[in-house]
Amino acid sequence: QSALTQPPSVSGSPGQSVIISCIGTSSDFVNYNRVSWYQQSPGTAPKLIIYEVTNRPSGVPDRFSGSKSGNTASLSISGLQAEDEADYYCSSKIGSTTRVFGGGTKLTVL
Amino acid sequence: QVQLVESGGGVVQSGRSLRLSCAASGFSFSRFGMHWVRQAPGKGLEWVTFIASETYTRDYANSVTGRFTVFRDDSRNTLYLQMNSLRAEDTAIYYCARDGPHYDVDHWGQGTLVTVSS
Repeated sequence: QSALTQPPSVSGSPGQSVIISCIGTSSDFVNYNRVSWYQQSPGTAPKLIIYEVTNRPSGVPDRFSGSKSGNTASLSISGLQAEDEADYYCSSKIGSTTRVFGGGTKLTVL
Repeated sequence: QVQLVESGGGVVQSGRSLRLSCAASGFSFSRFGMHWVRQAPGKGLEWVTFIASETYTRDYANSVTGRFTVFRDDSRNTLYLQMNSLRAEDTAIYYCARDGPHYDVDHWGQGTLVTVSS
């Protein structure tokens, strides 16, 4: 099954911006906007923060934004806050039923 | 509000079976596809299986095909995962999650821990 590649870790100081990349190889990933992002704080379940590449669910701050170009999707977080420290996962729908997750990126707020 | 509550986790010997349950509330369960996603200790998320609404179409990760079976009881608003021939590498927190309308997984349970001992 298809894989999504993320950097293991990123870091930034409060107020700064960071970008987390997600590289996919499947045609579903490249050709469609089926990418979502999840935030997982320690000891908690994942939470959806971006769907269909660029959209935020209600309640997610606009400091979080998503984009995609070719085989690379990106999650941008601006105005970093201590509460943003978490693991972030990208995901893509493959075909009509399958999901694949990236390996996850640990964000450290310095 | 949407609630997903998993149960059935525990410690089980390698080669044995275990059945997980996920009780859903706060939405029309029969209208949504459902997933199981797992997370090994200190590791990332791994999609395990999906079951569609209405058609009950199923799909599985290669790592569990032939050993795990997902099914649902819409009359009880409950999702299940039957896990057979368990292996040490199946040790993980198992999350029940709802298939969202935007190619996403929009609601997650709190997870239930399965530990497979050798």
